[in-house]
Amino acid sequence: SQTIHQWPATLVQPVGSPLSLECTVEGTSNPNLYWYRQAAGRGLQLLFYSVGIGQISSEVPQNLSASRPQDRQFILSSKKLLLSDSGFYLCAHGSRGGIGQPQHFGDGTRLSIL
Amino acid sequence: AQTVTQSQPEMSVQEAETVTLSCTYDTSENNYYLFWYKQPPSRQMILVIRQEAYKQQNATENRFSVNFQKAAKSFSLKISDSQLGDTAMYFCAFMPHSGYALNFGKGTSLLVTP
Repeated sequence: SQTIHQWPATLVQPVGSPLSLECTVEGTSNPNLYWYRQAAGRGLQLLFYSVGIGQISSEVPQNLSASRPQDRQFILSSKKLLLSDSGFYLCAHGSRGGIGQPQHFGDGTRLSIL
Repeated sequence: AQTVTQSQPEMSVQEAETVTLSCTYDTSENNYYLFWYKQPPSRQMILVIRQEAYKQQNATENRFSVNFQKAAKSFSLKISDSQLGDTAMYFCAFMPHSGYALNFGKGTSLLVTP
């Protein structure tokens, strides 16, 4: 069965510090991978998606970046965090080429910026 | 761009009763996919149900069913025989046939009371 792992579960970082959130998927090959952010009281906003190693599409301009160094690994990074980066970050995977297929989510990372 | 609107920020229902959550969307596409996701207090996003726009038959999944009205661009979720474990945020989401990303509504917070 397919599983998706995200870590850490919670993170408290000072403004201006770097960030690295990691997501890995098991039980599937060549998945589409996604990073979403959920601000308090709001829905999910797509940040990045990837259809293959090294292929990253950005949906929202910001000080975050994403990388996919391996087929089932997706990393969200920042060089300098802003207060506005606080939120709940969710990684998701979907079937490659699976148009209209549902995305399956990890447990999320709660990021608080102080 | 597609927009998804959930006009009910909060709802409550008594255990064993039926509740309907509303969702409308705006798109110029003819082929697309619609989803309902559930986010309990644990924050994990769980797929509830999926509907293909080219299928007239409404999707059902055990106690969960949808009322899909393509002309009206409406996609409501009906929960029958509500259970305490149904307490969660419910998100409606849209995926175009031509894309990979999910567009989410802002969610409806559902409380099931004894």
